Amino acid sequence: QVQLVQSGAEVKKPGASVKVSCKASGYTFTSYYMHWVRQAPGQGLEWMGIINPSGGSTSYAQKFQGRVTMTRDTSTSTVYMELSSLRSEDTAVYYCAREQIKTTVTTNCRWFDPWGQGTLVTVSS
Amino acid sequence: QSVLTQPPSVSAAPGQKVTISCSGSSSNIGNNYVSWYQQLPGTAPKLLIYENNKRPSGIPDRFSGSKSGTSATLGITGLQTGDEADYYCGTWDSSLSAGPVFGGGTKLTVL
Repeated sequence: QVQLVQSGAEVKKPGASVKVSCKASGYTFTSYYMHWVRQAPGQGLEWMGIINPSGGSTSYAQKFQGRVTMTRDTSTSTVYMELSSLRSEDTAVYYCAREQIKTTVTTNCRWFDPWGQGTLVTVSS
Repeated sequence: QSVLTQPPSVSAAPGQKVTISCSGSSSNIGNNYVSWYQQLPGTAPKLLIYENNKRPSGIPDRFSGSKSGTSATLGITGLQTGDEADYYCGTWDSSLSAGPVFGGGTKLTVL
């Protein structure tokens, strides 16, 4: 079955960087875009960016431009999200999510399925 | 502050029906399809509805979705205690800040 398995929880100090991995299985890795979404404690979902596992191209939410880098390793079907210059406000659960797309007459229909189990990143001095 | 607007909470008794609204604009819901996600406590979001009103396999027909103009609605009938969760609507935004957008989430309490 299609599965996304993320790396374990991290504790980082302010100013440090964190790199979270997301290993895909059960489907052709390069055929689906992958997104990263984060959720601060008690808060909603916040989109961070997207990577095309086929060519490696990326697009990031403006809020994270300059601080986030998404990469992939096709040999292990793994995508990575690295966030630098961490601050306390970056404490959150980080999710990878596969994009599903369906072309219709009017526009593309896109949604997320499945999601990884989440990785808690705690930023604390 | 989320791009899409959802009520913070809704509640109903077991067996009853509840609806959760999601309001947006012409740059997102008005011109794109809506999906809904269920997040049980301590777990990752799970797809409930896609393409406004379609259910993935395994999702019971107690869950339904609809869209009209710049708003969407999730309906849940025959409420069960296991439906207690946070529910999020999502779509894509075609404005300058193009990309996926979500509602702030709605906490469903089954009394």
